Amino acid sequence: KQEVTQIPAALSVPEGENLVLNCSFTDSAIYNLQWFRQDPGKGLTSLLLIQSSQREQTSGRLNASLDKSSGRSTLYIAASQPGDSATYLCAVRSGGSNYKLTFGKGTLLTVNP
Amino acid sequence: DTGVSQNPRHKITKRGQNVTFRCDPISEHNRLYWYRQTLGQGPEFLTYFQNEAQLEKSRLLSDRFSAERPKGSFSTLEIQRTEQGDSAMYLCASSPGTGGPLYGYTFGSGTRLTVV
Repeated sequence: KQEVTQIPAALSVPEGENLVLNCSFTDSAIYNLQWFRQDPGKGLTSLLLIQSSQREQTSGRLNASLDKSSGRSTLYIAASQPGDSATYLCAVRSGGSNYKLTFGKGTLLTVNP
Repeated sequence: DTGVSQNPRHKITKRGQNVTFRCDPISEHNRLYWYRQTLGQGPEFLTYFQNEAQLEKSRLLSDRFSAERPKGSFSTLEIQRTEQGDSAMYLCASSPGTGGPLYGYTFGSGTRLTVV
């Protein structure tokens, strides 16, 4: 059974700082990994999707990496802004059941002005 | 098409009442999923449709829950005899059918259910 863990559970940083969020998963047989952002009381917004054959994806100030063999992914946020404050969720689409995602519990990020 | 649409956004109901939520996926997506998210947790899989066929249901989906997707378009999730433990955010997502698992999910804004 796939399990996804996100560390840290919460992170508070001053504006302008670069930061890294971590995600680990127990079964490396995945199709892809997706990072989402969730604002309080809202749905999920997709940030980046990394296929199992890829090592990283970039979008603006965001960079996500994937090391499938070790079961790890990181989300790097450059020059953080108060508007980045949200919960960031990591989800993997596993090879055994290619139609559903397994999520971590998320990292609550607060960027202080 | 502006994405996945869910209605209502919020629902407050008394324990024991029935509630129904609606999800309209992206029109060209033939895969539709329901997830449930409780406070401080990641979303958990409930059920999955490919077109109108319901292909899997999680053990989280007790017999008080039923989901349908008539004609492979919108979907409804009904909860009968609601309990306080049903209070959660119910999220709908869709993805393309072609290309297999290569495509990511698009989620809706969710329906927050509060059972009092």
